[in-house]
Amino acid sequence: GESVGLHLPTLSVQEGDNSIINCAYSNSASDYFIWYKQESGKGPQFIIDIRSNMDKRQGQRVTVLLNKTVKHLSLQIAATQPGDSAVYFCAETIAYSGAGSYQLTFGKGTKLSVIP
Amino acid sequence: DVKVTQSSRYLVKRTGEKVFLECVQDMDHENMFWYRQDPGLGLRLIYFSYDVKMKEKGDIPEGYSVSREKKERFSLILESASTNQTSMYLCASSLGHDGKYEQYFGPGTRLTVT
Repeated sequence: GESVGLHLPTLSVQEGDNSIINCAYSNSASDYFIWYKQESGKGPQFIIDIRSNMDKRQGQRVTVLLNKTVKHLSLQIAATQPGDSAVYFCAETIAYSGAGSYQLTFGKGTKLSVIP
Repeated sequence: DVKVTQSSRYLVKRTGEKVFLECVQDMDHENMFWYRQDPGLGLRLIYFSYDVKMKEKGDIPEGYSVSREKKERFSLILESASTNQTSMYLCASSLGHDGKYEQYFGPGTRLTVT
């Protein structure tokens, strides 16, 4: 999972295995969550999002799970490929309830390394 | 596809110089953001803008200013660059309504201040 510190948490997986990246979010009022992928030397890239009225959402080879009770978000990548090697981080915001915020609060990230 | 472009990928400036970082988005987004990204500190919001000529301070605005004269363009200005402003600078934009709150990022500008 993600944590504060100088070094990113690292996850190493074998090519073809499934990856699970975790995120503990901070604000119980957050109602919209996003996963980003950032490859070395590039800007973050949107992967998938989920609203708090859902607990699961699937995309192409990716699934996001949301557990509001324990404020936990996870990203599952099926059949991980070398091109999936990157830093992944979650983001949260209050988008739909009351006075929304334009801002996202980002986690620190997890570095995924895929072993060929 | 949303496209956010930044004027430079790499920039080297001297201490005390005035530095301009430009960002342009082509999707008519209302909101634009400037972040800096440093190892171990993640993404930190410097300034954002939710409309033309409007700006709001983020978490670390000191030493920076911004300008948004046109909807598609958001500029970050370092009035007098210092070595502690050496960082990766990322611009982002979002629609901010109709269920579209995700931010789209540019490729980043790696600024080195010597």
